[in-house]
Amino acid sequence: SAVISQKPSRDICQRGTSLTIQCQVDSQVTMMFWYRQQPGQSLTLIATANQGSEATYESGFVIDKFPISRPNLTFSTLTVSNMSPEDSSIYLCSVAMGGIETQYFGPGTRLLVL
Amino acid sequence: SQQGEEDPQALSIQEGENATMNCSYKTSINNLQWYRQNSGRGLVHLILIRSNEREKHSGRLRVTLDTSKKSSSLLITASRAADTASYFCATDQITGANSKLTFGKGITLSVRP
Repeated sequence: SAVISQKPSRDICQRGTSLTIQCQVDSQVTMMFWYRQQPGQSLTLIATANQGSEATYESGFVIDKFPISRPNLTFSTLTVSNMSPEDSSIYLCSVAMGGIETQYFGPGTRLLVL
Repeated sequence: SQQGEEDPQALSIQEGENATMNCSYKTSINNLQWYRQNSGRGLVHLILIRSNEREKHSGRLRVTLDTSKKSSSLLITASRAADTASYFCATDQITGANSKLTFGKGITLSVRP
């Protein structure tokens, strides 16, 4: 398994601003993922963070809105840009080691946009 | 659209009773997984069942998979108040080079003490 931390744990932001969320893992991992969970909803995959190359985004998510960095095998950031109230969600990072099969999740970042 | 659809959407039981949650999906899968989420926190992996398996046990958890019906069930036996949480099924689909998990909408389980 892996121990994953996220910063910040929660934030309240003004519309039009940007927030960068950090995800730190205690060991080197193959795959890192970013999910969004809107209030009362399930998880939706935003993108796969690739080490050393551009992230792979899912349909409906674009790099300009959700730029992602992954400078090494233990760290990634997700930026929520030009925020609107619709971006209010929990943002979770997850990792998979070796095979993709099981994912381990961070505690999430609860974002409220006013 | 969501790959996994759980039912019921909400379940309330008495402590000590068994809880059964179901999940249906649409496409071929490599495996199906169940996760638990407490109070909007991160998800915790519970159990994984591969497409060539029919039943799996882990402690008080029993999961079944019927690939012909594209459905799975999660049974929690002798439930406890601490089992109160949201439960999600997630399917690892057979796609191209990279597999990924697709989550269902989730089931809210309340266990009354």
